[in-house]
Amino acid sequence: DQQVKQNSPSLSVQEGRISILNCDYTNSMFDYFLWYKKYPAEGPTFLISISSIKDKNEDGRFTVFLNKSAKHLSLHIVPSQPGDSAVYFCAASLGNQFYFGTGTSLTVIP
Amino acid sequence: ETGVTQSPTHLIKTRGQQVTLRCSSQSGHNTVSWYQQALGQGPQFIFQYYREEENGRGNFPPRFSGLQFPNYSSELNVNALELDDSALYLCASSDDRGLGYTFGSGTRLTVV
Repeated sequence: DQQVKQNSPSLSVQEGRISILNCDYTNSMFDYFLWYKKYPAEGPTFLISISSIKDKNEDGRFTVFLNKSAKHLSLHIVPSQPGDSAVYFCAASLGNQFYFGTGTSLTVIP
Repeated sequence: ETGVTQSPTHLIKTRGQQVTLRCSSQSGHNTVSWYQQALGQGPQFIFQYYREEENGRGNFPPRFSGLQFPNYSSELNVNALELDDSALYLCASSDDRGLGYTFGSGTRLTVV
């Protein structure tokens, strides 16, 4: 039962353009949402989070949007850089547990 | 000490054997969580320990067990290994605020 879904396994974007990664969830009780970035042979690295009481959080080039009515989360990266190429996981937390999506592999083309 | 380190990085075991994976958390991080990441999947929560006590568990059978020690190290033990246990096992630690986990690089377990 996949409670957090990332329906796009891969995304390619030109350098300098916007990358938009999407995530859907099913459990309306999730209280925090997070994005992680993962390079090959490394563990996931925390990127940005958002509380369920907010609809936007921004940190530099990264902005996370939360649409609770649609149970949808998105990560915007502007401008995209080649170093952003990695697998991006969205995650949702409920108490002690984190539920991860299956990941989206982002390739930023120079 | 900064960062989360896991050992070994790779391991091959035979079905039915037992395995112990180790994690060394960041100093001051009292919470450690273990995840199983199968190929093409996101990390799946196994369990979490806080100050040496288990305080959350995902949908994994009892043959998955853990220990956390006062020196910020922890173990994941898996008994009676099955072929489907082949995966990347990640540990993540956090401080008492709980968010922004720091992940280790993982242990790649292959069961043959």
